[in-house]
Parts: sequence; C-alpha cells; structure tokens
Amino acid sequence: TQLLEQSPQFLSIQEGENLTVYCNSSSVFSSLQWYRQEPGEGPVLLVTVVTGGEVKKLKRLTFQFGDARKDSSLHITAAQPGDTGLYLCAGFRVADTGKLIFGQGTTLQVKP
Amino acid sequence: DSGVTQTPKHLITATGQRVTLRCSPRSGDLSVYWYQQSLDQGLQFLIQYYNGEERAKGNILERFSAQQFPDLHSELNLSSLELGDSALYFCASSVRGGTSGNEQFFGPGTRLTVL
Repeated sequence: TQLLEQSPQFLSIQEGENLTVYCNSSSVFSSLQWYRQEPGEGPVLLVTVVTGGEVKKLKRLTFQFGDARKDSSLHITAAQPGDTGLYLCAGFRVADTGKLIFGQGTTLQVKP
Repeated sequence: DSGVTQTPKHLITATGQRVTLRCSPRSGDLSVYWYQQSLDQGLQFLIQYYNGEERAKGNILERFSAQQFPDLHSELNLSSLELGDSALYFCASSVRGGTSGNEQFFGPGTRLTVL
C-alpha cells in the first residue's frame, strides 16, 4: 500500500490542453514536494508546500496543498511538449519526519 | 547538473555477487540519502547519513549496507544480489538533516542490472 497515491499514473494530451495531477494520503504531512524526473536523470525539485491551503505558482504550473495537509495537486495550464516527463509528489509525514515518502509518479506526454 | 555525482552510471553483474555504489554530495552538504527506484515499487527511501552517522532508515534490506566517510562521500554496498535488486539507485544530498523543507538534490543515478 502506497502512503502517497498519485493519479493518474499516465496522461497523454495534446499541446495547449490543461491537466491536473493528484496526490492523496490518509496521513498528515508536514510538507509536500513535487519533483520532475527526465529519463536517465534524478528527480529535480519543483516546489515545496508547507502550509495547509497553500497555493504556489511556477509559470504555468500551480501547486496546492490541501487544508488538512493530506493531499496536494499539480495543475498545468496550456501544456507544452517540454512539460513531458515523470512528475513525482513526495512528503515528510508528521509521524515520521526523517523519511521522504514518494508517490508512484505520473508519466505525462504532451504531443505537439 | 545537481552537483551530486554517482559512479558507476551502469553496473551489470550476476546473482550472488556484491557491488559498491559511490556517491559524492554537493560541496557543503552534510547529509546523504540513498533511494531505490524500480518499476513496481517506485522511488523508495533506503537510508540517510548525516555527517558520518546514520540518521534514518527506510526499507533497506539486511543484505544492503551503507556508510559515509570523513570526506562526506558515501558508499552503498549491495551483497548476495538477486534478480529483484535490479533498479536505479539514486543518491541525494542536502545541507542539513532530512527534515521538512530541507531540499534534497539528486544525483544522476546508477542503473544496476542483475543477471
């Protein structure tokens, strides 16, 4: 059983479309992070959210932390082929702050 | 380039063998983390060292061990290898210990194939 459930696992869309990736848990997290991973490389941190209800924007990407700090979402507006990659949510549980827990990831393909 | 280096990039070995993966953290980072990424399990935290001492342990098998040396580089030792150990192994580093909000920088990984 995954502590962080990500959905969808795979997403294939056309350039210009919007999309949302969800990250859910039954546990409370002190913070949640979103990473992007390219083939053959390690994950790269995009954003960290720490306060319940927090919203952060990074150009066309909008990240939200749920009010109860159990879930998060990543919304991409007007997706571009350069957004293609593996998106991972990860977080530190309040009950176990020393270990970064990762979701299974969402593979996004944006077709031109 | 994250500043974290890992060697080797690829490793092919046989079941029952032992291998050592090496990681050099970013300059100034005291913490090193090891992760395993496989298709079925995703990215799993294995172990963390901070300034030479073990700080946190995740789903690390007893056949696996790690250490961090005085120069802060780290090695992950995998022994009695099984087919299921085939995976990508990532090292990450951070300035401080593994607590909330402390950004981890990941290396490019070592791809281990056990035949």
